[in-house]
Amino acid sequence: SQQGEEDPQALSIQEGENATMNCSYKTSINNLQWYRQNSGRGLVHLILIRSNEREKHSGRLRVTLDTSKKSSSLLITASRAADTASYFCATETPYGQNFVFGPGTRLSVLP
Amino acid sequence: NAGVTQTPKFQVLKTGQSMTLQCAQDMNHNSMYWYRQDPGMGLRLIYYSASEGTTDKGEVPNGYNVSRLNKREFSLRLESAAPSQTSVYFCASLPNTGELFFGEGSRLTVL
Repeated sequence: SQQGEEDPQALSIQEGENATMNCSYKTSINNLQWYRQNSGRGLVHLILIRSNEREKHSGRLRVTLDTSKKSSSLLITASRAADTASYFCATETPYGQNFVFGPGTRLSVLP
Repeated sequence: NAGVTQTPKFQVLKTGQSMTLQCAQDMNHNSMYWYRQDPGMGLRLIYYSASEGTTDKGEVPNGYNVSRLNKREFSLRLESAAPSQTSVYFCASLPNTGELFFGEGSRLTVL
């Protein structure tokens, strides 16, 4: 069964707007990561947040983690057309180096 | 520095045929993974290898075998391909920093 579930499944916004994606998971985690996938390409790591962290920033990305609610959010500020991609959350369980991915959010940024 | 290299990029098989997907990484990472990606389902772990000489089953191992030939290479074999194995296959490797590095994927169609 899948650990992470992203919400929404698809999101369409205008360039310059902010995009927020959410991820929920079911069990204990070591860390939670967000990945980006352009169409037809492999996944690229964006940001990692550990279970003892609450918020992390990287450029235009802001990730929050609420372990009590077993949820995370990814905020992309001032979005660009080049941000159009699918975004996946992945959780690393404490039981070995096992990463579980959600089904992803498809983001479309319209120019 | 090529990162994670997968071959072949595309393959069409008939039901019952066998094939091996090759994966190599040049980053000296200990752990390597094979995932499959199907529409709407995110990535599902097939097998992983925490170190040379060890392999472990993931969420969907049935119909697959793996070999961790050395630290660089981790191959995935389909002994008797089935249409249900039509998918995009991704290999990934893991450094000590905790984020996965992915290849560009191998797109397999089983007729």
